[in-house]
Amino acid sequence: DAKTTQPPSMDCAEGRAANLPCNHSTISGNEYVYWYRQIHSQGPQYIIHGLKNNETNEMASLIITEDRKSSTLILPHATLRDTAVYYCIVRVFYNQGGKLIFGQGTELSVKP
Amino acid sequence: ETGVTQSPTHLIKTRGQQVTLRCSSQSGHNTVSWYQQALGQGPQFIFQYYREEENGRGNFPPRFSGLQFPNYSSELNVNALELDDSALYLCASSPGRRGDTQYFGPGTRLTVL
Repeated sequence: DAKTTQPPSMDCAEGRAANLPCNHSTISGNEYVYWYRQIHSQGPQYIIHGLKNNETNEMASLIITEDRKSSTLILPHATLRDTAVYYCIVRVFYNQGGKLIFGQGTELSVKP
Repeated sequence: ETGVTQSPTHLIKTRGQQVTLRCSSQSGHNTVSWYQQALGQGPQFIFQYYREEENGRGNFPPRFSGLQFPNYSSELNVNALELDDSALYLCASSPGRRGDTQYFGPGTRLTVL
């Protein structure tokens, strides 16, 4: 079962920041939050991940609340090419491995 | 550096047949995970291979099986295909089995008629 909940859809104006929220209230202390996006049923593309500190890379920023029960992905200047389904994922450890548990994701539409 | 590649891109089979899907992992990655994505749903974990051994399995029946080869490429085999097996099958590779980011290939679209 997915450990995250996200709004099913969001709109954003081109050039503005897109803020995508995610709730993960049952996350365990050693579980990372990952964000991927998927465009037109291509393979999911890795964006960013974090454990408890805020993270930034060339694609996005990830803000994790202090209690780790929610996070926000920020695309600072959204473009039309950022239109995609965005998945907030908790990486779950089991025995000797780790797996990604996807939910339904947020369909982000960037409009001109 | 070559990313994760999968073949074939598309495949059409009939119910009851068997299918083999292939995945080449990214250079330097020794772990491969397979996911099934039905239309309109998020991907679901099938299983993971680490250094040629199955390293974990999701809620899929035994007719879903896999292999990993010494060069870390991998196969997903599905026997006795059912209509519900129609989906996008995704392969992801990572440099380690637990704590590392998984990078996905483009997927294989399987249609079962």
